[in-house]
Amino acid sequence: DGGITQSPKYLFRKEGQNVTLSCEQNLNHDAMYWYRQDPGQGLRLIYYSQIVNDFQKGDIAEGYSVSREKKESFPLTVTSAQKNPTAFYLCASSKGTGASTDTQYFGPGTRLTVL
Amino acid sequence: AQSVTQLDSQVPVFEEAPVELRCNYSSSVSVYLFWYVQYPNQGLQLLLKYLSGSTLVKGINGFEAEFNKSQTSFHLRKPSVHISDTAEYFCAVRNRGSYIPTFGRGTSLIVHP
Repeated sequence: DGGITQSPKYLFRKEGQNVTLSCEQNLNHDAMYWYRQDPGQGLRLIYYSQIVNDFQKGDIAEGYSVSREKKESFPLTVTSAQKNPTAFYLCASSKGTGASTDTQYFGPGTRLTVL
Repeated sequence: AQSVTQLDSQVPVFEEAPVELRCNYSSSVSVYLFWYVQYPNQGLQLLLKYLSGSTLVKGINGFEAEFNKSQTSFHLRKPSVHISDTAEYFCAVRNRGSYIPTFGRGTSLIVHP
């Protein structure tokens, strides 16, 4: 079955440590996205990538980094510079064409808790 | 730029009652509109989308939405809700030609027995 996988589902880290969240898709989508979700704030865009080896900052990129070395993979690193990293992180993908049929599909999410 | 306002952060309703979740958007160009559902600790699942044509759009799980261009709204409705409809619902808008949508803050639908 085609889809988006995120791992792990739950992640605990100590304050000051960098942590990398995994996102893989087998939908043959060109575009991939990372969102952060906090209660009552909806989805906020962290980074997005339309093609391999290229990515753009979203609305809240500070304290985060990404890479896009393969079409299928778009890992997110939460660095120690992120002041409040505890949140639910969602990865998504789409064709990235802007056409009417271009719909985002989401992974199951990773809940990060920084202790 | 585009924006989305979901007017209610929480909507409580009794089982088998009708429900309407409100969504208004702002954009200077033509748009595509989406409703997603999120169950606890899960990702978002597409409920329905408006691309063009008929303004009444039917989706999964018995939900439907109506696009009203003059009122810039895309309200989600279900004639009779079930306990299993308890979830967070997100409205999203995407400008034609852009591939990045903007999401509302979400509406928590709580269905009571």
